[in-house]
Amino acid sequence: AQKVTQAQTEISVVEKEDVTLDCVYETRDTTYYLFWYKQPPSGELVFLIRRNSFDEQNEISGRYSWNFQKSTSSFNFTITASQVVDSAVYFCAPLDTGRRALTFGSGTRLQVQP
Amino acid sequence: SAVISQKPSRDICQRGTSLTIQCQVDSQVTMMFWYRQQPGQSLTLIATANQGSEATYESGFVIDKFPISRPNLTFSTLTVSNMSPEDSSIYLCSGDSGGADTQYFGPGTRLTVL
Repeated sequence: AQKVTQAQTEISVVEKEDVTLDCVYETRDTTYYLFWYKQPPSGELVFLIRRNSFDEQNEISGRYSWNFQKSTSSFNFTITASQVVDSAVYFCAPLDTGRRALTFGSGTRLQVQP
Repeated sequence: SAVISQKPSRDICQRGTSLTIQCQVDSQVTMMFWYRQQPGQSLTLIATANQGSEATYESGFVIDKFPISRPNLTFSTLTVSNMSPEDSSIYLCSGDSGGADTQYFGPGTRLTVL
């Protein structure tokens, strides 16, 4: 079974600051998949990224970047030059490949102040 | 990516009644999932729904309380039966097209039980 720890419950930054959200996972699978989702105040879950375990290249998408480190079982998410619209709860979620269901972390609430 | 809609978007119900939530996907998906998000909490998987077979329930969730139907590859329903205030949550459905494909989520149904 997968486990995931998002140790940061809440982070508050001022607009234009960079912020990193931490995610540490546990899995016994040799091949596995990790996801990040965003949940803005409206409540819907927005898919951000899917990463498989055999691709350790870091990924950048605009102001978003992800640092995948198998050696430390971490899959951290950085927002550069944060904006008020980034305010949301962010979930890291490994995929249980047997059940094909996501195991969600407790989430990190990000507040970006103007 | 799949687009998922849910009905109703929100409801306020009386204790002891039942509510059926509908989930419609704009394309065929292999797996559909139902999650519950209690106030201020993360998402917890209720069950996995495959077409043509009974849903698979997670520990702590039972079919009598949360009956699920999956009549075809684009539609599923979740019923919350004999509701109590503890059932007040957001209920989200998701779908994927197989393997370790990305799960896309519906907008959720906000349920309040009085």
